[in-house]
Amino acid sequence: QVQLQESGPGLVKPSETLSLTCTVSGGSISSYYWSWIRQPAGKGLEWIGRIYTSGSTNYNPSLKSRVTMSVDTSKNQFSLKLSSVTAADTAVYYCARSDTARGGAWFDPWGQGTLVTVSS
Amino acid sequence: DIQMTQSPSSLSASVGDRVTITCQASQDISNYLNWYQQKPGKAPKLLIYDASNLETGVPSRFSGSGSGTDFTFTISSLQPEDIATYYCQQYDNLPRTFGQGTKVEIK
Repeated sequence: QVQLQESGPGLVKPSETLSLTCTVSGGSISSYYWSWIRQPAGKGLEWIGRIYTSGSTNYNPSLKSRVTMSVDTSKNQFSLKLSSVTAADTAVYYCARSDTARGGAWFDPWGQGTLVTVSS
Repeated sequence: DIQMTQSPSSLSASVGDRVTITCQASQDISNYLNWYQQKPGKAPKLLIYDASNLETGVPSRFSGSGSGTDFTFTISSLQPEDIATYYCQQYDNLPRTFGQGTKVEIK
């Protein structure tokens, strides 16, 4: 059974870069879409973007100028970088998998999520 | 972006009640809609895909219907373990977008 685990700093200073990694265990990272989704406290879900194992990416236009995603198939990991963060980027960040058969239609499974707080 | 509007934003019902949540898309998305359940402090869990298909292992009291712009999610008999926030999500276009969520509580 595939499991995803987010890791990275829980506290980031304003204007700096948020960096998170998602480690995939129990299965191969190959041939899937891998997404990042975030959720501010008490609010809804926002799709940040996704990366395919070839390295091709799709980003949410609302964040595109600040987002970079990468994948390391040798480590079964993919990563998120979000630059120039502000307090508005404080959220729980989830990683999730999508099957390519339907163009990455749904997200399953998800990681447990990691809280990132932007504060000085 | 395709906007997804859920209603109500919250509801309170008794155990055994039938619960219905609606999700409206800002444009025709065919049946390209999924439903998730999120319990407090947990990640969302896929319940229904393609508007009406039950994910493996999900109890049959959960169901979904609709196409085009209007969709419905139903719990036929509310159970205490169903207390959660439910989200719809479209996959007709990128970026993927979610409804704002419906919080279901026990009366």
